[in-house]
This record gives sequence, C-alpha cells and structure tokens, in this order.
Amino acid sequence: GENVEQHPSTLSVQEGDSAVIKCTYSDSASNYFPWYKQELGKRPQLIIDIRSNVGEKKDQRIAVTLNKTAKHFSLHITETQPEDSAVYFCAAALNSGYSTLTFGKGTMLLVSP
Amino acid sequence: DGGITQSPKYLFRKEGQNVTLSCEQNLNHDAMYWYRQDPGQGLRLIYYSQIVNDFQKGDIAEGYSVSREKKESFPLTVTSAQKNPTAFYLCASSIGQGEKPHFGNGTRLTVT
Repeated sequence: GENVEQHPSTLSVQEGDSAVIKCTYSDSASNYFPWYKQELGKRPQLIIDIRSNVGEKKDQRIAVTLNKTAKHFSLHITETQPEDSAVYFCAAALNSGYSTLTFGKGTMLLVSP
Repeated sequence: DGGITQSPKYLFRKEGQNVTLSCEQNLNHDAMYWYRQDPGQGLRLIYYSQIVNDFQKGDIAEGYSVSREKKESFPLTVTSAQKNPTAFYLCASSIGQGEKPHFGNGTRLTVT
C-alpha cells in the first residue's frame, strides 16, 4: 500500500518568514495530494490540494508543488502569521474509483510573533 | 458543522465495554470513513464505506466494527477486543473517488 513520509515533525518560524513542509509518497500511481490544517482539538480542514496533472498550485499565501518523478510534494506558506500555527498533514490517494487517503504523521508549525 | 456530525464530543468507558460512536452526514456523500488519531501518528484508516450495506477494512480494523444501513449514517463500534482504544476518532465523508474528504469534529474516547 501507499506510504507517506512527512518532514519536519516540528517547525518554528518567526512571523513573516516562510515555512516549507515536505512529503514523499511511495505509490507512483497516486495522483491526488491534499493538505489539511488541524488546530488543537479541532477537525482537520482542507487548505489546498493538487492533482498529478499540474506541478504547482497557489492560493494566496499558500502554495503546493509536486514532483511526480521524485514522488514528493511540498507545502509553502509565505508571510506566516501566528494564526498559521497548527498541525499540518499531507496525504496521498489514487483518484480513480473510490479511494482512501494515506496521511503523513503531521508537522506542528509554530509561528512566533 | 460542515454537514458531518459526530457525537458525543467526549466519551468515557470502562475497559471491557463496547462503545459506539455516532457519525451522521447530510451532504449526500456516498463514501464515509473512520480514522483514528494518536499523538505523533497522523490519521490512520479504520474502516470505510463506498455505498450503503457495504464497507471495507482499513489499515487498523482489528477490534472495531461498523455498519452502513443508511447513506447518512456510519456508526463505529469500539469492541473490548481493541487493545488501546483511547484515542481521537474522526469520521469523514466524500462525494466519491477520494474527492476532498470532509471531516467531522471528532470524538475523544477515553477508556480506563
């Protein structure tokens, strides 16, 4: 089955800096890669996703890049703010038929004012 | 919130007792999922269902059971056979084809 590795496990940045979280996946057939943000005690919320037919997707301060050859994808957050502090999860899935997501173990992002 | 309701938010049980966690959705989604979340472990798939009266085991199904008698409902039973049941349980649903699963607010189960 699919295996998703996520790094780093914790990331501390100063407000205004950029943050990058990286994930690798094992199944070359995976073609859907969402990112979730989870605040303490709350449910994960989808913040951005990318499919394998594109290499990059942006949404305001958030961007995701995908390298299919190397089987890795990254989340980039620019101009970080304290409210960006949360745990971020990457995931991978086959987007054909009814598929299930395999999640990375998460990255705790701490943005200091 | 978001059309997926999990209840209760907190649940306490004694060891050896079975307990059922509720998950209801009004999004008309075909697929529903149960994940377990432990600190530092990410989300791990317990069971999923693509359609009424059908479900499949996920990566950590041992000690759990589910049913899908209605499209809107996918309850999870944590049985006494589950060795470490204390965890945060998340239910999710999607329209199908792994499309953008939406999560409920979760149930935190504590077994002592």
